[in-house]
Amino acid sequence: EVQLVESGGTLILPGGSLRLSCVASGFTVNNNYMSWVRQAPGKGLECVSIIYSGGSTYYADSVKGRFTISRDNSKNTLYLQMNSLRAEDTATYYCARGWVVGDAFDIWGQGTMVTVSS
Amino acid sequence: QSALTQPASVSGSPGQSITISCTGTSSDVGNYNLVSWYQQHPGKAPKLMIYEVSKRPSGVSNRFSGSKSGNTASLTISGLQAEDEADYYCCSYAGSIPRVFGGGTKLTVL
Repeated sequence: EVQLVESGGTLILPGGSLRLSCVASGFTVNNNYMSWVRQAPGKGLECVSIIYSGGSTYYADSVKGRFTISRDNSKNTLYLQMNSLRAEDTATYYCARGWVVGDAFDIWGQGTMVTVSS
Repeated sequence: QSALTQPASVSGSPGQSITISCTGTSSDVGNYNLVSWYQQHPGKAPKLMIYEVSKRPSGVSNRFSGSKSGNTASLTISGLQAEDEADYYCCSYAGSIPRVFGGGTKLTVL
């Protein structure tokens, strides 16, 4: 079965660091582009980062310089390293597979909640 | 990286048709035929409904259709059913930045 399972979300203090993980099964992460999409409580979706199969990475302005997307092909896992966390980073973070055929996110994880608060 | 513009809410009665608009710019929606639409029920992950403006993934009902004119894309749902009640988001390729989403539209089936 093709699926994504995120983990790592928690309550964390402002200024702290956190690493989210997304384990893929049924396909290979480095054969697709992968993304982290977040959703603040009661708000819409925001694509915060993308990593392409060739290794190129892109970030939304809101997280540039603070977040780093990466993958471990041996573990078939996508990561999001989040530093200097702010209250406005509070959200459910989804990992999503980019479908090359249609340039769309065709597989989504269940999400992991990050709460930044003192 | 401004979000695409969607109406906050739309509503319709069972059996009717509704259309949700998604307005971007010549840098995103207007420049690429790479608009996708997602359905999200409360507490659930988004689900892909339309890709490349008007194509449906396998398993998505043909009651869902998409189109585009200039900088505005649209999602039409015909024969509304109770289970269509959800939030809907458009998304567009925009070049060298991560994908840009719309603000979301809440569909209420009356």
